[in-house]
Amino acid sequence: QKEVEQDPGPLSVPEGAIVSLNCTYSNSAFQYFMWYRQYSRKGPELLMYTYSSGNKEDGRFTAQVDKSSKYISLFIRDSQPSDSATYLCAMSDYGGATNKLIFGTGTLLAVQP
Amino acid sequence: GAVVSQHPSWVICKSGTSVKIECRSLDFQATTMFWYRQFPKQSLMLMATSNEGSKATYEQGVEKDKFLINHASLTLSTLTVTSAHPEDSSFYICSARNLETYEQYFGPGTRLTVT
Repeated sequence: QKEVEQDPGPLSVPEGAIVSLNCTYSNSAFQYFMWYRQYSRKGPELLMYTYSSGNKEDGRFTAQVDKSSKYISLFIRDSQPSDSATYLCAMSDYGGATNKLIFGTGTLLAVQP
Repeated sequence: GAVVSQHPSWVICKSGTSVKIECRSLDFQATTMFWYRQFPKQSLMLMATSNEGSKATYEQGVEKDKFLINHASLTLSTLTVTSAHPEDSSFYICSARNLETYEQYFGPGTRLTVT
């Protein structure tokens, strides 16, 4: 079993839809959770960063962390064609045994105009 | 958001030569930087973790004598690919972790082609 599981997609939605991206993990020591967006041939861009459990909102993006279920989500409201990219979840126990980011495999999202 | 730069963005070199890639955190200090490699349509593969003022920690299977890493300051890390071969052609991405917030930011990547 991989430490972090992410549905690779591809996921295709119409413009304006609400997108839900999810990851599950197995290491209960993870406390730092991030979502990155990566366009083709570019470095990943940090979208959301959450420490421990809870929700965080930034514009059209909402990140949720449920440590009891070992489940994290990223919601994108009013999706736009410019949101078309690969979305990577990542997490770590920084300072602990792992001390580095563990990535999901990424979900390819296409928002159709 | 914080900015991490990489230079060069694209480099072509001949087999047997060495190539140096620079990674800089422009507006924050990073005691820890990371070097990744990414093949087309695949996720990021961590190569090594670089700590300022100390030796890098390499992931299993990564040749430390081939991929030399130096982290001389809180804002600069370099990766040197020595005696490059065509199989080293790839997309190399650095990342810097903010020492205060633990947020980890990525550079734009360097595309290396070895002919």
